[in-house]
Amino acid sequence: QKEVEQDPGPLSVPEGAIVSLNCTYSNSAFQYFMWYRQYSRKGPELLMYTYSSGNKEDGRFTAQVDKSSKYISLFIRDSQPSDSATYLCAMTRGSTLGRLYFGRGTQLTVWP
Amino acid sequence: SAVISQKPSRDICQRGTSLTIQCQVDSQVTMMFWYRQQPGQSLTLIATANQGSEATYESGFVIDKFPISRPNLTFSTLTVSNMSPEDSSIYLCSVAIWGRGTEAFFGQGTRLTVV
Repeated sequence: QKEVEQDPGPLSVPEGAIVSLNCTYSNSAFQYFMWYRQYSRKGPELLMYTYSSGNKEDGRFTAQVDKSSKYISLFIRDSQPSDSATYLCAMTRGSTLGRLYFGRGTQLTVWP
Repeated sequence: SAVISQKPSRDICQRGTSLTIQCQVDSQVTMMFWYRQQPGQSLTLIATANQGSEATYESGFVIDKFPISRPNLTFSTLTVSNMSPEDSSIYLCSVAIWGRGTEAFFGQGTRLTVV
């Protein structure tokens, strides 16, 4: 069993839709959770960063962490064609500085 | 965040040859890492590049195949040795900064094709 599971999609939605992206994990030691956005032929770009359980909002993006269920989510409101990218969830124990465990990434297309 | 420059951005190489990828950061960073991203797969950590000492390799990766150097706090290289088509992948340099250590920042990647 992989430590981090993420449905690779692809996911295709119309502009303005609410997008929900999810990951599950098996290691209860994970405490820090991140979402990266990766455009084609580019490196991953840090989008959201959350510590432990709870919600964090940044503009149109909301990250949720439920440690009891080992489940994290990223919501994108009012999705735009420029949001079309691959979204990677990542997490770490925190004791290993910068060493991340990634999901496979979900490919998202927002069509106008 | 840090600005990370990775070279080359892409290359096509003959099997049996070696390629060295460079990673330059614009500020001193605590940790540097090398990841591999194969199509449809999650980013996989190859090794942690340690400044002034041997890199720490993850299970399944060995120094003879992926020698790594880190002569200072802002520069590292990854060599992919004796390449085969199975080494075709994207290789990514990542850094962590003290005080923001649970986050990691990435270079733009090196797209390697072995023919």
